[in-house]
Amino acid sequence: SQTIHQWPATLVQPVGSPLSLECTVEGTSNPNLYWYRQAAGRGLQLLFYSVGIGQISSEVPQNLSASRPQDRQFILSSKKLLLSDSGFYLCAWSLWGQDEHYFGPGTRLTVT
Amino acid sequence: QKEVEQNSGPLSVPEGAIASLNCTYSDRGSQSFFWYRQYSGKSPELIMFIYSNGDKEDGRFTAQLNKASQYVSLLIRDSQPSDSATYLCAVPNQGGKLIFGQGTELSVKP
Repeated sequence: SQTIHQWPATLVQPVGSPLSLECTVEGTSNPNLYWYRQAAGRGLQLLFYSVGIGQISSEVPQNLSASRPQDRQFILSSKKLLLSDSGFYLCAWSLWGQDEHYFGPGTRLTVT
Repeated sequence: QKEVEQNSGPLSVPEGAIASLNCTYSDRGSQSFFWYRQYSGKSPELIMFIYSNGDKEDGRFTAQLNKASQYVSLLIRDSQPSDSATYLCAVPNQGGKLIFGQGTELSVKP
C-alpha cells in the first residue's frame, strides 16, 4: 500500500530565514505530487504540482519554490520566509489518470 | 475558472440525526466529485467519491449527485460526535489537479 511522509511535523522559523520541507511517497511509481497551503481558517491553496522528476508547475507567484529531485520526493523551499508564509503545508499524491488526491500528515509552519 | 462552493457553517446537528452537507460547482462538464474529511489540526482524508448521477452509499455515508442542478451532497446518517470535522468538496481540474471548496464545519452535539 502507498504511504506518504512529511517532515518536519511542526516548525517555528524567524522572518527572513530559509525553509525546506520534504515529502516522500512509498509504494507507488511516477506519482503526481502536489504542495498545498492552508492558512488558519482558510481553504486549500495549490502552490505547486509535479508530473515527473524535475517538472514543476507553479500555481501562484510567491517567494516559495519546489523541486522534485527523485521520483517520489518533493521539496518545498524558501530563501527568506515572510510572516504570511505561516500555515499548514500539505503534500499530496495522485496516480496518472486518477483524480483523487491522498494527503500527507502536513507540516505546521509558524513564522515569527 | 472552475468554482466549488460550500456553506462554511458551522452546521450543528444532534447526535443520531442526519447531517446534510451541500456543494455546488460551476463547470457543467465535471464528471467526478470527491468528499474529504478534515479533523481539526489534521490533513484531509478522502471519504467518498461519486461519478454517476444518483446516490452512492458507504456505511453511514451517502453521496448524492445531481448533474442537471450541478450540486453534490454528502449525507451522514446516525451522526456521531466523532463525525465533527470540516468536510471539503473537490472537483477535478485539468492536469490532475483538484479544486476544493472552502469546506463546511460540522459539529455533532452529544
